Amino acid sequence: AQSVAQPEDQVNVAEGNPLTVKCTYSVSGNPYLFWYVQYPNRGLQFLLKYITGDNLVKGSYGFEAEFNKSQTSFHLKKPSALVSDSALYFCAVRDPNNAGNMLTFGGGTRLMVKP
Amino acid sequence: DAMVIQNPRYQVTQFGKPVTLSCSQTLNHNVMYWYQQKSSQAPKLLFHYYDKDFNNEADTPDNFQSRRPNTSFCFLDIRSPGLGDAAMYLCATSRKTGEETQYFGPGTRLLVL
Repeated sequence: AQSVAQPEDQVNVAEGNPLTVKCTYSVSGNPYLFWYVQYPNRGLQFLLKYITGDNLVKGSYGFEAEFNKSQTSFHLKKPSALVSDSALYFCAVRDPNNAGNMLTFGGGTRLMVKP
Repeated sequence: DAMVIQNPRYQVTQFGKPVTLSCSQTLNHNVMYWYQQKSSQAPKLLFHYYDKDFNNEADTPDNFQSRRPNTSFCFLDIRSPGLGDAAMYLCATSRKTGEETQYFGPGTRLLVL
């Protein structure tokens, strides 16, 4: 079975400081990993994904994430946070070895960036 | 712009009164998904269509049904809404499954009175 965990319900960071939103996963093989962001009363918006290749993935709005197989992690990072980055962030995983599996989402992490 | 559209954005219904939520897409994607999301929790997949093939998640209640009359449109029917069905309903599409990115609509917030 596949699963994903976001250990922090909320992350607080000051504007201009670097931010990290943590994600760990569990799959039987090599995972497909995704990050989505959700603003209030909106749908999920795709940020970036890891399928294969370079462990450092760059995405939208200056976000990036690093795939770490040994730690089974895919943490989302940004060098300098903006107030407008405040939103709900979801990590998601899919096990490509299981054709029936769809995406499994983590519980979400609320990012609060303060001026 | 290609996109996923959900109507209405807000829907109020009465306990037990059937309701239909609508999703359309201009992306010409093969797969369409319906998710239920409660109180900023993780989205929960209800079912998906790969072209005309319907795939129901094992724990999706029978109260929830779906129709996909063509590539562009997909409907979520709630036959007898209960108070526990109040949630945000998200439609998403992808070109295929697997590594493909899912693109989400803005969601429909359902209130059950």
